[in-house]
Amino acid sequence: TQLLEQSPQFLSIQEGENLTVYCNSSSVFSSLQWYRQEPGEGPVLLVTVVTGGEVKKLKRLTFQFGDARKDSSLHITAAQPGDTGLYLCAGVTSGTYKYIFGTGTRLKVLA
Amino acid sequence: EAGVTQSPTHLIKTRGQQATLRCSPISGHTSVYWYQQALGLGLQFLLWYDEGEERNRGNFPPRFSGRQFPNYSSELNVNALELEDSALYLCASSFQRNTEAFFGQGTRLTVV
Repeated sequence: TQLLEQSPQFLSIQEGENLTVYCNSSSVFSSLQWYRQEPGEGPVLLVTVVTGGEVKKLKRLTFQFGDARKDSSLHITAAQPGDTGLYLCAGVTSGTYKYIFGTGTRLKVLA
Repeated sequence: EAGVTQSPTHLIKTRGQQATLRCSPISGHTSVYWYQQALGLGLQFLLWYDEGEERNRGNFPPRFSGRQFPNYSSELNVNALELEDSALYLCASSFQRNTEAFFGQGTRLTVV
C-alpha cells in the first residue's frame, strides 16, 4: 500500500511557467522531505518540513506542509529547464519506522 | 566530508546468480536504508538497518537480504536473481531514525 500519493505523475511545461506538485496521505508524518532525482543518480534532498503549516522557500521553490501534517506541496515559480527531474516526497509515519517515498512527479521544462 | 558511497556502480549478472551490493553511510550516521528503483518508476522500500539491526523490510521476497556491520556500512544480497530484479538500487543514510536521509549514487544491477 502506497501511503504517499503524488500528483500529477507527469508534467511538461514551457520555461517561465509556474507549477505545483502535491503530496498527499491519510497518515500523519512527523516530518516530510522533498527530493529531486536526475536520471541515473540518487535523489538529492531539497528541504525538510516539520511543523504543520510550515512554509519554506528555496529560491524559486516554495514548500508547504499541511496543517495536519498529512500533505505537502511544492510550488515552482518561473520554471527553468534545469528544474527538469523526478520530484519525490518522503517521510516516516508514526509507528511504522519505514521511510517511504511518494509515487513521484516527473517534470520536464521545455526551453 | 564524504557522502554516501555505493559499490559497484554497475553490476551485470546472469539469472540465478547472486549479487552483493555495498553501502558506506555518511560518517556518524547509524541508519541505512535500501531502495529498489526499476527504470522509470518510483522508489520501493527494501530494508532499513539501524544500530546494526534490521528494523523493517518492505514487501520483497526473502531472497533479498542484507546486514549492517559494526562500522554501520551495509550489504544488500540478492539471491537467485531474476530478470525483473534489474533496477537501480539506492542506499541512503540518516543520523537517527525518522530524520532526513541522504542518498548514494546507486548501483545499477542488470540481470541477463
